[in-house]
Amino acid sequence: ILNVEQSPQSLHVQEGDSTNFTCSFPSSNFYALHWYRWETAKSPEALFVMTLNGDEKKKGRISATLNTKEGYSYLYIKGSQPEDSATYLCAFKGGTSYGKLTFGQGTILTVHP
Amino acid sequence: KAGVTQTPRYLIKTRGQQVTLSCSPISGHRSVSWYQQTPGQGLQFLFEYFSETQRNKGNFPGRFSGRQFSNSRSEMNVSTLELGDSALYLCASSLAGAGNQPQHFGDGTRLSIL
Repeated sequence: ILNVEQSPQSLHVQEGDSTNFTCSFPSSNFYALHWYRWETAKSPEALFVMTLNGDEKKKGRISATLNTKEGYSYLYIKGSQPEDSATYLCAFKGGTSYGKLTFGQGTILTVHP
Repeated sequence: KAGVTQTPRYLIKTRGQQVTLSCSPISGHRSVSWYQQTPGQGLQFLFEYFSETQRNKGNFPGRFSGRQFSNSRSEMNVSTLELGDSALYLCASSLAGAGNQPQHFGDGTRLSIL
C-alpha cells in the first residue's frame, strides 16, 4: 500500500503571511509528483507536475521543490491572500507514465483577512 | 476550450440500484481517469482508460466498471449500490496519461445512496 502523507492537515494564517506544506511519498519507483489546488465548490486545479530530483517550479506566489531521494516535496506560498484559501493536494505517480495517481489527504489552508 | 464535463452533477439512488455516470474529456485528450472521494478519505483511484482500453484499475470491487468510447467520452457504472458508495465521483482527463501531464478535473457527480 502506497503512503502519501501531507502535513499539516490544516493551517490558518493571516493575510500576508508566507507558509509551506509538506508532502511525503515513497522514495522508490518514482515517476512524478503532482500538486493540485482544490477550492470549495470547484474542481481540483493542477499547480505543478514535477519529475526530476531537485526540481523547483514557480507559479506567481506559489512555488514547489522536490527531493525524490528522500521522498518529499514542499509547497510554498509567499504573501498569502484570502483567495489562496483551498485544499492543497499532492499526488504520487510511480512506475509508468500512465495509470494510478495516489493522492495525499490534503492540507486545508485558510487565509484570514 | 471547453473543460471536462461530468453529468449528472447530482444523483440520488437507493440501495441495490445501479447508476451510470458520464464524463466528456477536453477535446484531444485521450486519457480519462475516475476517482472517488468519500468523507475522511482522499481521492481514491478507480480506473484509467486510454483509446477505449482500461490501462489501470484501482482496488475497488467488480461492481465498479467503466468504458470509453471512440470519441474518448467515458462512462462509469456502479451496480448493486451500497450505502458506502455515497461519494463525489470525479473524472480527469489528460493527453496521454497521469505520468508527467497534469490532470484536468471535472466538477464531479455527487452520488447519494438512500
